[in-house]
Amino acid sequence: AQRVTQPEKLLSVFKGAPVELKCNYSYSGSPELFWYVQYSRQRLQLLLRHISRESIKGFTADLNKGETSFHLKKPFAQEEDSAMYYCAPSYSGAGSYQLTFGKGTKLSVIP
Amino acid sequence: DTGVSQDPRHKITKRGQNVTFRCDPISEHNRLYWYRQTLGQGPEFLTYFQNEAQLEKSRLLSDRFSAERPKGSFSTLEIQRTEQGDSAMYLCASSSGSGANVLTFGAGSRLTVL
Repeated sequence: AQRVTQPEKLLSVFKGAPVELKCNYSYSGSPELFWYVQYSRQRLQLLLRHISRESIKGFTADLNKGETSFHLKKPFAQEEDSAMYYCAPSYSGAGSYQLTFGKGTKLSVIP
Repeated sequence: DTGVSQDPRHKITKRGQNVTFRCDPISEHNRLYWYRQTLGQGPEFLTYFQNEAQLEKSRLLSDRFSAERPKGSFSTLEIQRTEQGDSAMYLCASSSGSGANVLTFGAGSRLTVL
């Protein structure tokens, strides 16, 4: 069964501190991995995907196949980073294109 | 067309009634998804269309749930004989063929079953 685990429901950090949001997945094959974000009163939106290897809003995420992890990191948290973050692996096989979302981590950046 | 539209935004109904939600995706997107989200949980996949074909359905989608996308444009999600456990946010998303998993979400339709 496809599983994704975000162990922290809530993560509070001070402004300027480093941030790491954890995500572990359990998949067979080679999933594509995403982080989606939902800011207060806004729609759920894509933050980044592992294949693009981009840094978006200062966030990066490295896929570690050995540990089956895809942790989201930012060296210096900003107040505007406060939001719900969802890790979402996708295994596109046999015509399946569904994303499986984790339960999410609420990031709170303290001024 | 600036995004994915969902209607209604809020629906309060009594147990046993039928409800229908509508989703208008981004016009160039041929893939459309329905997700359900309850408090404290991430979105759970319900079903997926490519054009007008419903290609995938979750086991979460009981017999009381039906979704259509008749002309490959807008989609409807109907819940018959609603139960209190159906109370949730119903999210619609769409994507293009080139970015199948890059989903653009709507604002959602919140259902409350009394």
